[in-house]
Amino acid sequence: DSGVTQTPKHLITATGQRVTLRCSPRSGDLSVYWYQQSLDQGLQFLIQYYNGEERAKGNILERFSAQQFPDLHSELNLSSLELGDSALYFCASSPAGGTWDSPLHFGNGTRLTVT
Amino acid sequence: DQQVKQNSPSLSVQEGRISILNCDYTNSMFDYFLWYKKYPAEGPTFLISISSIKDKNEDGRFTVFLNKSAKHLSLHIVPSQPGDSAVYFCAASPITGGGNKLTFGTGTQLKVEL
Repeated sequence: DSGVTQTPKHLITATGQRVTLRCSPRSGDLSVYWYQQSLDQGLQFLIQYYNGEERAKGNILERFSAQQFPDLHSELNLSSLELGDSALYFCASSPAGGTWDSPLHFGNGTRLTVT
Repeated sequence: DQQVKQNSPSLSVQEGRISILNCDYTNSMFDYFLWYKKYPAEGPTFLISISSIKDKNEDGRFTVFLNKSAKHLSLHIVPSQPGDSAVYFCAASPITGGGNKLTFGTGTQLKVEL
């Protein structure tokens, strides 16, 4: 158990809809990261938050947004969903703001299916 | 543009033998490399890492080798055990400014057979 909790585990929704994925980091970790894994692809970095502030941005679509709350949990909002957004979405956390020697701890992911 | 490539989608090895998983990268700014292991329905779990100032790092049955001139790294598992059957992801990051913005490969499915 990594200590990172993601809900829900599975989500099925229709095109054009909006969903919210939730992540609680490990106790004490200040950074939260979101990754997307599409079929047969590696994990693609979306965005990082550190102590409530956006720290780094990757290949995140404008239809997607995220935030980190004062209690350090994070939410990833996906809107105007398309079939191609179907993927596994992983949240990870680390103690610091992005040091190279602090490996990420991943949650078990949310599987999003857009029909 | 795949900056981190794992060209073997799958690998099958007999229990007790050596498993060698390979990874190539193209971005010369990458200084720090990690291997993650993933079981079905679980998130990736950190396995071992290496920075560019080293060419080898060992942790028990796991050894990672880095060849900077060839932009190639490999993970050796000796001896392989059935519990090692999983998907292995190679990941890379620049130490300076990259933080934990890891770039992942597409993974190699390792199957260790009895």
